[in-house]
Amino acid sequence: EAGVAQSPRYKIIEKRQSVAFWCNPISGHATLYWYQQILGQGPKLLIQFQNNGVVDDSQLPKDRFSAERLKGVDSTLKIQPAKLEDSAVYLCASSSPTGRLSYEQYFGPGTRLTVT
Amino acid sequence: KQEVTQIPAALSVPEGENLVLNCSFTDSAIYNLQWFRQDPGKGLTSLLLIQSSQREQTSGRLNASLDKSSGRSTLYIAASQPGDSATYLCAVRGDYKLSFGAGTTVTVRA
Repeated sequence: EAGVAQSPRYKIIEKRQSVAFWCNPISGHATLYWYQQILGQGPKLLIQFQNNGVVDDSQLPKDRFSAERLKGVDSTLKIQPAKLEDSAVYLCASSSPTGRLSYEQYFGPGTRLTVT
Repeated sequence: KQEVTQIPAALSVPEGENLVLNCSFTDSAIYNLQWFRQDPGKGLTSLLLIQSSQREQTSGRLNASLDKSSGRSTLYIAASQPGDSATYLCAVRGDYKLSFGAGTTVTVRA
């Protein structure tokens, strides 16, 4: 089965510019996650979707970050305007089935963002 | 709030030596624990998932144990190879959320 797809793989922008990342989860996976991984740290959850509804966005900086998952499949994460501290790898993951004890997450290759 | 700690942050061993990676967590109310591997510039690859009711899981040269009451997990990699060089992260799942440690970066010297 195809894995989690993400694009672009790399992006360099100047501060105050905007950027968008795209994710296509594994077919049939109802749950989709976006993580931010700063160099030397573990991933931090930004937002979790169940189908096209938001389950948790408590750590999403909502003044500059937004995410959507239309039709419960693909998802887009946007940053506007970007700050230097947003430089990180943005990881998308998906999981299924929906049972609480079986949430094994599968990760995409990530998008490395550099803000200059 | 769940805190996950991995010690040491980095480890270098000669080829053939067994690897022991440690993970500790502060809240024992977890559903499962997952070990991941991350190669430079790449995403995370799931290695093992241990449900909260289990004590250990094995896959090939990898064995992971879980002691939920003491908040600890250990990943053993037998007979290490240079291809095992990577960063290993553990993550615990609470209510719908994975909390990650910062990882242990392993170098296996040929």
